[in-house]
Amino acid sequence: SQTIHQWPATLVQPVGSPLSLECTVEGTSNPNLYWYRQAAGRGLQLLFYSVGIGQISSEVPQNLSASRPQDRQFILSSKKLLLSDSGFYLCAWSGHSTGELFFGEGSRLTVL
Amino acid sequence: GENVEQHPSTLSVQEGDSAVIKCTYSDSASNYFPWYKQELGKRPQLIIDIRSNVGEKKDQRIAVTLNKTAKHFSLHITETQPEDSAVYFCAASIGNSGYALNFGKGTSLLVTP
Repeated sequence: SQTIHQWPATLVQPVGSPLSLECTVEGTSNPNLYWYRQAAGRGLQLLFYSVGIGQISSEVPQNLSASRPQDRQFILSSKKLLLSDSGFYLCAWSGHSTGELFFGEGSRLTVL
Repeated sequence: GENVEQHPSTLSVQEGDSAVIKCTYSDSASNYFPWYKQELGKRPQLIIDIRSNVGEKKDQRIAVTLNKTAKHFSLHITETQPEDSAVYFCAASIGNSGYALNFGKGTSLLVTP
């Protein structure tokens, strides 16, 4: 069966520090991969998605970047965090024939 | 990205009543419209979805309707139960992106016994 893991689960970082959130999927090949941010009252905001290795699409201009160095690995990064980057980040995957998203456990980032 | 508007933001119903959540979208290329349920402290999970070639879909107590001309779709829950209490999100696919989705802001549904 397919599983998705993301880490770390919680992170407290100072303003200006770098960020790296990692997500891996097991049990499937060539998944679509996504990074979403969930803020209270704002729903799920799509940040990045990838349909294949090295293919990254960004939906929102921001202080973040994403990379897909391997087929089932998706990384969310920042060189210098801002206070506004605080939030709950969810990684997800879907197959190419169905649209169902399977979400990871989420990573709560607090920037101080 | 294109917007997905969702209403109401909160909804309280008595057990056994029906609940309706409505969404509108602006991307005319959207062709896939799922609904997700997120219970407190848990990940969002798909409960039902509909594609643009279908006007209505039903799964037991849950149904979704789609009006592509008006660009709106709705979730209907009948005979609500306390375990239906959760946050519900509608979403619309982004053009030809595959299955990247724009989500609404969510509806917090409370079903009281």
